[in-house]
Amino acid sequence: AQSVTQPDIHITVSEGASLELRCNYSYGATPYLFWYVQSPGQGLQLLLKYFSGDTLVQGIKGFEAEFKRSQSSFNLRKPSVHWSDAAEYFCAVGAYSGGGADGLTFGKGTHLIIQP
Amino acid sequence: DADVTQTPRNRITKTGKRIMLECSQTKGHDRMYWYRQDPGLGLRLIYYSFDVKDINKGEISDGYSVSRQAQAKFSLSLESAIPNQTALYFCATSGALYGTGELFFGEGSRLTVL
Repeated sequence: AQSVTQPDIHITVSEGASLELRCNYSYGATPYLFWYVQSPGQGLQLLLKYFSGDTLVQGIKGFEAEFKRSQSSFNLRKPSVHWSDAAEYFCAVGAYSGGGADGLTFGKGTHLIIQP
Repeated sequence: DADVTQTPRNRITKTGKRIMLECSQTKGHDRMYWYRQDPGLGLRLIYYSFDVKDINKGEISDGYSVSRQAQAKFSLSLESAIPNQTALYFCATSGALYGTGELFFGEGSRLTVL
């Protein structure tokens, strides 16, 4: 079965500093990978996704992520964070059967705190 | 209007009561999902449905049931609610049969069982 590990439960970053959120996955085939963000009191919004091609993917709000097959990782990065980036971030891997997409398996999330 | 709408957004109930959370979507997607979010545990899949005749159990289906009334409607029921079912519940949809599986989420239904 597929799984996702987000090693950092909480991360604190100063406004304007760079950010990297870690994600490791376990899946038997080429994965479809996703990063979602959840702002306080809100639903989940897709930041970016990887399913083939270039291993560096660009997303919304200035985020990017790099797929590294050899490390089973899909880390999320942003060069300069803003106070509005404070949120919960979830990495997810897609599960597929003969019937197609069976839903996403999510990591436990990383809570991002921005210091002024 | 939101593409994926959940009702109610907030509900407080008592142990033993029957609760239904409803989800409707205007995205035209065939696939619908119910997830549960608990602090520190991320999102866990309860049930999912590929069409009105197809229902599948997810990781944590015990204590829950679902009904797919139409392509656009998917409801989650707790027949006899218990306090450890207190959580934030999300409905989600996804599109093409062999698409990437990207999920589109509703805004969530917060359920408190006393």
